[in-house]
Amino acid sequence: DAGITQSPRHKVTETGTPVTLRCHQTENHRYMYWYRQDPGHGLRLIHYSYGVKDTDKGEVSDGYSVSRSKTEDFLLTLESATSSQTSVYFCAISVLGQGPSSPLHFGNGTRLTVT
Amino acid sequence: QQPVQSPQAVILREGEDAVINCSSSKALYSVHWYRQKHGEAPVFLMILLKGGEQKGHEKISASFNEKKQQSSLYLTASQLSYSGTYFCGTEENVGDDKIIFGKGTRLHILP
Repeated sequence: DAGITQSPRHKVTETGTPVTLRCHQTENHRYMYWYRQDPGHGLRLIHYSYGVKDTDKGEVSDGYSVSRSKTEDFLLTLESATSSQTSVYFCAISVLGQGPSSPLHFGNGTRLTVT
Repeated sequence: QQPVQSPQAVILREGEDAVINCSSSKALYSVHWYRQKHGEAPVFLMILLKGGEQKGHEKISASFNEKKQQSSLYLTASQLSYSGTYFCGTEENVGDDKIIFGKGTRLHILP
């Protein structure tokens, strides 16, 4: 088990409110990723991190920000949630510490509903 | 750029074979394959690197044609447990630090 935990597992929020999702790992892996999954779109990369305070944008980063102030935590923030951000959010880590050329291990996901 | 997977969906009877394809318009350094059961997280199957060999995992194997920027996943003598959605993920360059996934292929195995 790669020791990755996402919280919360489920959340319902209202349009316009800020929301923060947390991804926590216990094994000090360098690379961490946030994906969203929607029917018909597969897994789309939002943001990723290659170290503390080192982050970059993915395919669908508009409306999202991230922070990584310590190795074990990667936070995804929706500054002002919109209904289009209703989705299942997965965090993933590169388990061999070699970046994307090594397997990804996914967390159990966060189901976010924006009403 | 998101890789293209085909077919979008497959229905098989137990024991039949299946091939899932993944193609990109850009040169690739690595291709990943994952399987996701309904309501669960994707699970890693295998990774193929540029210049590497065809990989195998039980009755599931994959190939990577670097020149054509394509990868194929082969499921032989499919079992009920193979049902799920299969995703390929691609890394375009060494040091890109990110993996972009296709939209997935739904595989349903009938008894």
